[in-house]
Amino acid sequence: GEDVEQSLFLSVREGDSSVINCTYTDSSSTYLYWYKQEPGAGLQLLTYIFSNMDMKQDQRLTVLLNKKDKHLSLRIADTQTGDSAIYFCAESGSASKIIFGSGTRLSIRP
Amino acid sequence: DVKVTQSSRYLVKRTGEKVFLECVQDMDHENMFWYRQDPGLGLRLIYFSYDVKMKEKGDIPEGYSVSREKKERFSLILESASTNQTSMYLCASSMGTSEYNEQFFGPGTRLTVL
Repeated sequence: GEDVEQSLFLSVREGDSSVINCTYTDSSSTYLYWYKQEPGAGLQLLTYIFSNMDMKQDQRLTVLLNKKDKHLSLRIADTQTGDSAIYFCAESGSASKIIFGSGTRLSIRP
Repeated sequence: DVKVTQSSRYLVKRTGEKVFLECVQDMDHENMFWYRQDPGLGLRLIYFSYDVKMKEKGDIPEGYSVSREKKERFSLILESASTNQTSMYLCASSMGTSEYNEQFFGPGTRLTVL
């Protein structure tokens, strides 16, 4: 079945780049997403990429998609304390559903 | 600005009680979803609905039911709460047809079953 996997934790120093990785199984997914969950809040769409793209850049965020290896990554440049959150990788499923990964908790150290 | 609200942020119930979790969205979205979020397991889909009075089982529907009598409101019901239903419950909504199918989430209800 459809599955999305990502590591549970990542710790980076403030000002460094953060790279969060994800693998997925459904090669027919049309869109892949990164959602962000700040403490005490619901999820919010951070960015998405269409499956026929390799890369998408949006200010400090860079998404890379390797469709052959079914690998998605999110790079956050110049990581700040406000980037502390849980980041969920997700793929579009059938009938408006979205399949979420387990989430990566990003912590920032000074 | 899309808004999804959930009736309670925190809820404490006893084993065997009937529990209602309410979700309301104000953007006239056709699709609504209930997830539970547990550490290390991410979001798991319980039920979803495409339209009023329509419902579909998600990945973990056992022990839950839903109701959608009005387009803006989607209720999750725990008929007889059990301790293994202690979790964070998240509601989401999305348009019936949209380019990239974004889901908008409520803030969540943290349910504790004693």
